[in-house]
Amino acid sequence: EAGVVQSPRYKIIEKKQPVAFWCNPISGHNTLYWYRQNLGQGPELLIRYENEEAVDDSQLPKDRFSAERLKGVDSTLKIQPAELGDSAVYLCASSLGPRTGELFFGEGSRLTVL
Amino acid sequence: GQNIDQPTEMTATEGAIVQINCTYQTSGFNGLFWYQQHAGEAPTFLSYNVLDGLEEKGRFSSFLSRSKGYSYLLLKELQMKDSASYLCAVRDGNNRLAFGKGNQVVVIP
Repeated sequence: EAGVVQSPRYKIIEKKQPVAFWCNPISGHNTLYWYRQNLGQGPELLIRYENEEAVDDSQLPKDRFSAERLKGVDSTLKIQPAELGDSAVYLCASSLGPRTGELFFGEGSRLTVL
Repeated sequence: GQNIDQPTEMTATEGAIVQINCTYQTSGFNGLFWYQQHAGEAPTFLSYNVLDGLEEKGRFSSFLSRSKGYSYLLLKELQMKDSASYLCAVRDGNNRLAFGKGNQVVVIP
């Protein structure tokens, strides 16, 4: 069974440029998460989806970050414009449900903003 | 909000036993997870506790005390491949899963 798939794996951009990350969760997983992880830190939740509904986006910096999960499957996380402090690994994860089992993580998208 | 505290780093010898502690404060509680993360890789699931007590899974065991807001992960018969960061994560009453900063374990021969 395929795991969580993310792309791109690496992205280098200049500040003020836009960037987008894509995630395909495990088939049948209704809950999808976007986390951001800075070096030496634990993952920090940005947004959680139950099917196509964003049920927890309180930690998403909405002035520059946006996300969508059309049809309740794939998801896209966008940053526009990017700032130097956005350099991090963006991790997508999925689970069967909000209280069901563990999260399965993708390999992450490493963003470097110059 | 949630507050999850873990020590930052420890070094141990191959074959030894290490205990990694995690204390937490959260609004509501729906389970505690331990994840392993090797450098440059995604976190992978190790264990899940929702009731008090010890859960054993091979060389890894995890303990939970909800009244004390405390958990530990026990790694036995350490191997070099166990060198990694160990993340404690707590699911609160709103089903938000928050991670601690992680504890870096370095295994030496």
